[in-house]
Amino acid sequence: NAGVTQTPKFQVLKTGQSMTLQCAQDMNHEYMSWYRQDPGMGLRLIHYSVGAGITDQGEVPNGYNVSRSTTEDFPLRLLSAAPSQTSVYFCASSYSSPDNEQFFGPGTRLTVL
Amino acid sequence: GENVEQHPSTLSVQEGDSAVIKCTYSDSASNYFPWYKQELGKRPQLIIDIRSNVGEKKDQRIAVTLNKTAKHFSLHITETQPEDSAVYFCAAPAGGTSYGKLTFGQGTILTVHP
Repeated sequence: NAGVTQTPKFQVLKTGQSMTLQCAQDMNHEYMSWYRQDPGMGLRLIHYSVGAGITDQGEVPNGYNVSRSTTEDFPLRLLSAAPSQTSVYFCASSYSSPDNEQFFGPGTRLTVL
Repeated sequence: GENVEQHPSTLSVQEGDSAVIKCTYSDSASNYFPWYKQELGKRPQLIIDIRSNVGEKKDQRIAVTLNKTAKHFSLHITETQPEDSAVYFCAAPAGGTSYGKLTFGQGTILTVHP
């Protein structure tokens, strides 16, 4: 099992560019989530999904889109990058029973100039 | 939604001492409280969690206590070691159960001096 994988590991964008952060898991987890981590602010939920075809907004969804066409993949799209989106992005997944451990990916460090 | 406050933001102890990190939450329906450890440059990893039907849970040198009436829970690390140095996050779900979404505290940087 590879667990939760994320690509790329690092990315530099210019303001206004768009890109997709990839996340995949091979544990057959129903639940998947995207968080961003900024210094001194912990992890904040961007979007989450409870299964293929079902997504919902978290605490800080503005400027981001998600889709869940398969159980395995949960990409995060930045529509028009802004410097405020400079952050470390973590994808996480867990089994569908409530309150199961969330397994995190290795993260993507994004810088927007 | 859920609001989680975590204190202290930094904690420095000598090897062998105990460390305590406290969190408060706002949603009385929350019933699952995990703690994550994050080493520098690494991903967060679950170290212990507690559900609302118990008041305390232990796993070797780590314990978590929960006070639902006061809406706070704490992480206790005994006999600290240098490898315990990391950032620790508490979390809670909004609306009772997590369903893959958690609200995190701001984090505590724990430094254990040899």
